[in-house]
Amino acid sequence: DGGITQSPKYLFRKEGQNVTLSCEQNLNHDAMYWYRQDPGQGLRLIYYSQIVNDFQKGDIAEGYSVSREKKESFPLTVTSAQKNPTAFYLCASKGQGNTGELFFGEGSRLTVL
Amino acid sequence: AQKITQTQPGMFVQEKEAVTLDCTYDTSDPSYGLFWYKQPSSGEMIFLIYQGSYDQQNATEGRYSLNFQKARKSANLVISASQLGDSAMYFCAMMRGSNYKLTFGKGTLLTVNP
Repeated sequence: DGGITQSPKYLFRKEGQNVTLSCEQNLNHDAMYWYRQDPGQGLRLIYYSQIVNDFQKGDIAEGYSVSREKKESFPLTVTSAQKNPTAFYLCASKGQGNTGELFFGEGSRLTVL
Repeated sequence: AQKITQTQPGMFVQEKEAVTLDCTYDTSDPSYGLFWYKQPSSGEMIFLIYQGSYDQQNATEGRYSLNFQKARKSANLVISASQLGDSAMYFCAMMRGSNYKLTFGKGTLLTVNP
């Protein structure tokens, strides 16, 4: 079945460590997104990519990095520079045009110990 | 900068009644799209309905309809005949023009009472 796969679902890290969250899609979508959600809050855009080898900062990109070497993959690295990384991270993808829905993964919950 | 405002942090509705969740937006771009998503406690995001800025009619999807008032820049979600399973967070979102950036509001927590 087509969809978006995020891994791991739960992740714990120590302060000062980088961690990479995986996002893979087999929907042949051009655009991919990373959002952060804090408890009781909405989704805030970290990075997005409209095509392979291109990505743009969202509203809260500081302390995060991404790559888009393949259409199917859009990994997010949470670096040690991110001061408050504990959150729920959601990856999404979308086809061409400004209509139509975003398809979301099931999310990755990162906890910094 | 585009902005989405959901003024209702929480809403309560009786089962089988209708409920309206408010959403206002701010953009100067004539071409944009408006979305509503549902997020149950399990965390997944479920797409509900879409409205394009040039659409002449309000969007409808089953029990969901979008009350689109372009001049007022509002895109309220109406859920008819509420069910217990409708209890969830609801998010309004906007995508502007050819920019693929999708911005979300802070959400409304809907509780359906039996």
